[in-house]
Amino acid sequence: NAGVTQTPKFQVLKTGQSMTLQCAQDMNHNSMYWYRQDPGMGLRLIYYSASEGTTDKGEVPNGYNVSRLNKREFSLRLESAAPSQTSVYFCASSQYRTSVSYEQYFGPGTRLTVT
Amino acid sequence: AQTVTQSQPEMSVQEAETVTLSCTYDTSENNYYLFWYKQPPSRQMILVIRQEAYKQQNATENRFSVNFQKAAKSFSLKISDSQLGDTAMYFCAFIDAGNNRKLIWGLGTSLAVNP
Repeated sequence: NAGVTQTPKFQVLKTGQSMTLQCAQDMNHNSMYWYRQDPGMGLRLIYYSASEGTTDKGEVPNGYNVSRLNKREFSLRLESAAPSQTSVYFCASSQYRTSVSYEQYFGPGTRLTVT
Repeated sequence: AQTVTQSQPEMSVQEAETVTLSCTYDTSENNYYLFWYKQPPSRQMILVIRQEAYKQQNATENRFSVNFQKAAKSFSLKISDSQLGDTAMYFCAFIDAGNNRKLIWGLGTSLAVNP
């Protein structure tokens, strides 16, 4: 049981390049999330998927797209990377609407640098 | 708007002593959950403790306990017998159980445990 996995762990991009961050969970959770973490800013929600087949914008969606490929996988795409997207990206999952499982479980993060 | 405030950006404690981290939140909802997450230097986000708002009893997990004051909207974390491995960023988070797609995060408290 690996929990939430993310690939890659580190990535360096040049401005204008594109890439996709992959996330998978093996806990049979309904909901999945993408956050970015910047110094002094805490965690900010980029996009989330309440259930398979649905996605919604979070606080900071500009410059990103997501795909909920199936119940297990939720990917984040940067179409044209900008230096402002330099950050640590976390994927998380949770079981929607159960009495005890509102907490989110996190992957190990991806450190992305855009030069 | 729902907000979470952690008023202590940095704290330090001697090994084996007790430390309390503060968190206040603002909501008009009655059914919600509160969490403390730990983020050590490894960057992994780890759930420390969870509190359901409808429960009056304060949650405890081994050396970690909370002081939940619902009327005051306060949710502090007490770490007893501090260990070097407790050195980490600690984040307080809130979720509205009626709309549990989004965690609301505080900006974190950096805790250093000194030998």
